[in-house]
Amino acid sequence: GQNIDQPTEMTATEGAIVQINCTYQTSGFNGLFWYQQHAGEAPTFLSYNVLDGLEEKGRFSSFLSRSKGYSYLLLKELQMKDSASYLCAVSGNTGKLIFGQGTTLQVKP
Amino acid sequence: EAGVVQSPRYKIIEKKQPVAFWCNPISGHNTLYWYLQNLGQGPELLIRYENEEAVDDSQLPKDRFSAERLKGVDSTLKIQPAELGDSAVYLCASSLNEGSGNTIYFGEGSWLTVV
Repeated sequence: GQNIDQPTEMTATEGAIVQINCTYQTSGFNGLFWYQQHAGEAPTFLSYNVLDGLEEKGRFSSFLSRSKGYSYLLLKELQMKDSASYLCAVSGNTGKLIFGQGTTLQVKP
Repeated sequence: EAGVVQSPRYKIIEKKQPVAFWCNPISGHNTLYWYLQNLGQGPELLIRYENEEAVDDSQLPKDRFSAERLKGVDSTLKIQPAELGDSAVYLCASSLNEGSGNTIYFGEGSWLTVV
């Protein structure tokens, strides 16, 4: 079967660093995506990993370990506007994108 | 460049009534998706189109849901009759091609409330 697991909620302080973990079990693997979704808005693309390692993009970085079925999204220098839901999604061998339930991040002053 | 456009943005209907949602994907994107998102959950795929062909509709409740993508561009998703449990956000998305590495871009969603 296919399963994607990520924490339901996290809280962090403005200016700090937070790491959101995602573990997955899928039939085949063709890449892992992270999306950000503010309340009442559409998910927006953050990052894509298909090879092991760290991809850095400004304050956001995403890491992948295919052997461990594990990824994390790292957010640095947190800002209040980073309060949102972060969705981990995996593309399996059919190309179908399966989403996790999302992690709601609350950034506090 | 315009993103994925959906309408209506919000819809409130009584149960057993029909409802339809419309989607215009990003120009040039031949893959179109309809996702269902319940509160506090991630999006779940209902149907995926490659041009005008539905290539994955395994999660679409075909007794009450239908979709079409005539001419391989715009798409409509219909529910008839609607049930209370259908209250959710219906997200349309598109990508350049199906498969690995092709980023999916979402519309803002159609928020359905069935009363």
